[in-house]
Amino acid sequence: DTEVTQTPKHLVMGMTNKKSLKCEQHMGHRAMYWYKQKAKKPPELMFVYSYEKLSINESVPSRFSPECPNSSLLNLHLHALQPEDSALYLCASSLLGPGTGNYGYTFGSGTRLTVV
Amino acid sequence: SQQGEEDPQALSIQEGENATMNCSYKTSINNLQWYRQNSGRGLVHLILIRSNEREKHSGRLRVTLDTSKKSSSLLITASRAADTASYFCATGGGTSYGKLTFGQGTILTVHP
Repeated sequence: DTEVTQTPKHLVMGMTNKKSLKCEQHMGHRAMYWYKQKAKKPPELMFVYSYEKLSINESVPSRFSPECPNSSLLNLHLHALQPEDSALYLCASSLLGPGTGNYGYTFGSGTRLTVV
Repeated sequence: SQQGEEDPQALSIQEGENATMNCSYKTSINNLQWYRQNSGRGLVHLILIRSNEREKHSGRLRVTLDTSKKSSSLLITASRAADTASYFCATGGGTSYGKLTFGQGTILTVHP
């Protein structure tokens, strides 16, 4: 299995809703990432998990709450979002080890989120 | 903030022509990677070049890296309509453990 699977593919939520985005990989990658991408812009890093522990939080607002229950799963819990949070949310994974950082990322196809 | 700057922002060519995209960055890196994105979906990893490498090939792709100029280029030879996509360079490593930072991207359109 060489894929990162993200669900759902599309999500529309109100500003008072609570929802979760899910990401799964079975490649044995011990680093997992959440990126946010606005239209016609590059992906922007939100969170990095390494060995199931949060290692980087790029000053993301607390209405976004990541969770890594095990080495294959990554969740992003959403609560009280704003319309400007509408974007494509991408999950990725990569190997970790000697020469950390010298590996390509495998991306999921993303969740297109619309906040109304 | 995004480290990489790419040019051109958009490139339009005919099938069979070569496409060259450039990327510049600001800080020291361990590696530089190129990704392709079709229609706002997931990114696909194309190639990774390490800071001690100067050139790398993969199929119709050729990547060069000049660390003295902090720049890289991606050449796609004999382009096809299916190569139409956005292409991003991304820099990793240095002091930013596990952090990959993307450039602004080049939108490539290949006309049949």
